Amino acid sequence: DTGVSQDPRHKITKRGQNVTFRCDPISEHNRLYWYRQTLGQGPEFLTYFQNEAQLEKSRLLSDRFSAERPKGSFSTLEIQRTEQGDSAMYLCASSFGDFLGGELFFGEGSRLTVL
Amino acid sequence: AQKVTQAQTEISVVEKEDVTLDCVYETRDTTYYLFWYKQPPSGELVFLIRRNSFDEQNEISGRYSWNFQKSTSSFNFTITASQVVDSAVYFCALSGWNTGNQFYFGTGTSLTVIP
Repeated sequence: DTGVSQDPRHKITKRGQNVTFRCDPISEHNRLYWYRQTLGQGPEFLTYFQNEAQLEKSRLLSDRFSAERPKGSFSTLEIQRTEQGDSAMYLCASSFGDFLGGELFFGEGSRLTVL
Repeated sequence: AQKVTQAQTEISVVEKEDVTLDCVYETRDTTYYLFWYKQPPSGELVFLIRRNSFDEQNEISGRYSWNFQKSTSSFNFTITASQVVDSAVYFCALSGWNTGNQFYFGTGTSLTVIP
C-alpha cells in the first residue's frame, strides 16, 4: 500500500510565473485535502475534495489558486502569477469514508520557493 | 471559532526523561475530534491518535499516553522514557462538526531529545 505522493518535491520559480503541484492520494481514499505550511507554523487548510467535487475552499485561497481533482483520483494545485508570499510547503492529505473524524494521511509535501 | 493553542514552542529533554506536550483547544461544537500528529525532520506528518469529544478516557500506547480533559479543554500528550527518535515537531489538531472538513492545527511543539 503506497502512501500519498506529491510531485515535485521542490520547486523554485520566479515571481509572476505559474506553478502546478500534483498529488496522488492513497488509492481507496475518497477525500483529498490541500494544506499550506510555512516555517514555524502548523498546516493551514486550503481546500477539500470529496471524490471529484471541490466542497470547501478556505478564504485564504486567493483567485490565483485553483485546484482540481478531475476523476476523483489525483489532484492538482495551480498557483498563477506567483508572489514571494506564496513560498511555503504545500501538503496534500487524503482520508477514507464519510466519517468526519477520519485521520488524514499526509504526503511529504511540495516546497515552493518564489524568488 | 475553532482554535488550537500549543504554548510550548520548543522543548529539550535528556534521553529517558518523560515529557508532556500541552494542547488547549477552543470550539463551539459539541461534537469534535482531536488529533496528534508527528512531523519528523523528513517532513511527512504522521498520525498518532484521534479522540472524539464523547470519549474522555485516557489512552496509552507503548511509551505514549494522552490525557483528554473537556473541563479544561486540553488534550495533552506524554512521552515516557523519551528516545532520540522522538525528536520531531508535534502538532495537535481539531476537527469540529460545524467546521466541515477543515482540520485546525496548532503551531506545533518542537521536541529535541538529547542523547
